[in-house]
Amino acid sequence: KNQVEQSPQSLIILEGKNCTLQCNYTVSPFSNLRWYKQDTGRGPVSLTIMTFSENTKSNGRYTATLDADTKQSSLHITASQLSDSASYICVVSVSGTYKYIFGTGTRLKVLA
Amino acid sequence: DTGVSQDPRHKITKRGQNVTFRCDPISEHNRLYWYRQTLGQGPEFLTYFQNEAQLEKSRLLSDRFSAERPKGSFSTLEIQRTEQGDSAMYLCASRRASAHDEQFFGPGTRLTVL
Repeated sequence: KNQVEQSPQSLIILEGKNCTLQCNYTVSPFSNLRWYKQDTGRGPVSLTIMTFSENTKSNGRYTATLDADTKQSSLHITASQLSDSASYICVVSVSGTYKYIFGTGTRLKVLA
Repeated sequence: DTGVSQDPRHKITKRGQNVTFRCDPISEHNRLYWYRQTLGQGPEFLTYFQNEAQLEKSRLLSDRFSAERPKGSFSTLEIQRTEQGDSAMYLCASRRASAHDEQFFGPGTRLTVL
């Protein structure tokens, strides 16, 4: 069964600190993996996309990694800001289809 | 190009009433998705359109739910005889046909069934 699991479920950190969110997937065949940021009451917005051959991709203070062998991805947030408070959702697309498998998200709260 | 838009943003209705939501995708996007999202969960797939053709409906989409995309542009999602369990955020997303193209999400319609 195609699944995406994320951890932790929620996380509270102080402003300025770093954090790492995890995503494990069992999706086959794999096409690509995206991390989305979803502010409360809004639609998700893409942060990064990674294909099978990519190990690391950065977008400002966000850095995503992908290990296709272990089927794990992480999203590292550096020097967190209050505006980083949101849900972060890992999404894997199934190759050759139009289907996306969503994780349940990690809810991040950054405190001043 | 102003992105994916959805209307209304919020809808409060009484149980048993019918509701209809609209999604306007990005103009050159021929693929359109509807998702449902409840609090603390990721989006759950409801249905998918390629141009005007509805290619798949999730089993989450009971007979009370119907979606259309006439002319392959905007789409509507109708829920008949709403139930309290229908309360959720309904998200629309669109994308182009290229394999790695991003899904762009709308702001969602928050439905509350009293």
